[in-house]
Amino acid sequence: ELKVEQNPLFLSMQEGKNYTIYCNYSTTSDRLYWYRQDPGKSLESLFVLLSNGAVKQEGRLMASLDTKARLSTLHITAAVHDLSATYFCAVDLSNFGNEKLTFGTGTRLTIIP
Amino acid sequence: NAGVTQTPKFQVLKTGQSMTLQCAQDMNHEYMSWYRQDPGMGLRLIHYSVGAGITDQGEVPNGYNVSRSTTEDFPLRLLSAAPSQTSVYFCASSYSGGVQPQHFGDGTRLSIL
Repeated sequence: ELKVEQNPLFLSMQEGKNYTIYCNYSTTSDRLYWYRQDPGKSLESLFVLLSNGAVKQEGRLMASLDTKARLSTLHITAAVHDLSATYFCAVDLSNFGNEKLTFGTGTRLTIIP
Repeated sequence: NAGVTQTPKFQVLKTGQSMTLQCAQDMNHEYMSWYRQDPGMGLRLIHYSVGAGITDQGEVPNGYNVSRSTTEDFPLRLLSAAPSQTSVYFCASSYSGGVQPQHFGDGTRLSIL
């Protein structure tokens, strides 16, 4: 059974600081996704990581994937209040891609002015 | 282009009642999935479909039925509602292959009394 663990579960950080969210998973996979969810809202796709060593960046967020370590990271640079949200990683174990995602429990990020 | 549309947005049921949550997508996606999200947890896969006429069980399928008669629609049926099914339900769709992420609907908040 695939297990996906995120840490920390809760993160409170000041504006302007850097931090990293970690996503560990228990079974080999080379497809990992990051999503953002605002309170009471749907999930918004942030990054799609499809191979070992993949790195994607968008604004103040950068995601990477190490399939050998079964680890993905989401790095936040110079945090701003707008980044406050819950962040989920999801691992895909399906045969053909994208039909069976297993989600982590999420990291609730709060940016303090 | 509406994306993934879920109806209703909110619903209250009594224990033992049945109902159908509707999901429709207009992006011609092959894959569609249903997830439930409980407080403090990530999303858990209920059922998924890789194309019209093809469905399969996810992690938590008990108490739910699905069918996929068209590419666009993927309804989720609660057979006999139980309080444990109180949750937020998300429908998602995507192309096959996993190169692009799943697109999520706005969710249905379901309370079972």
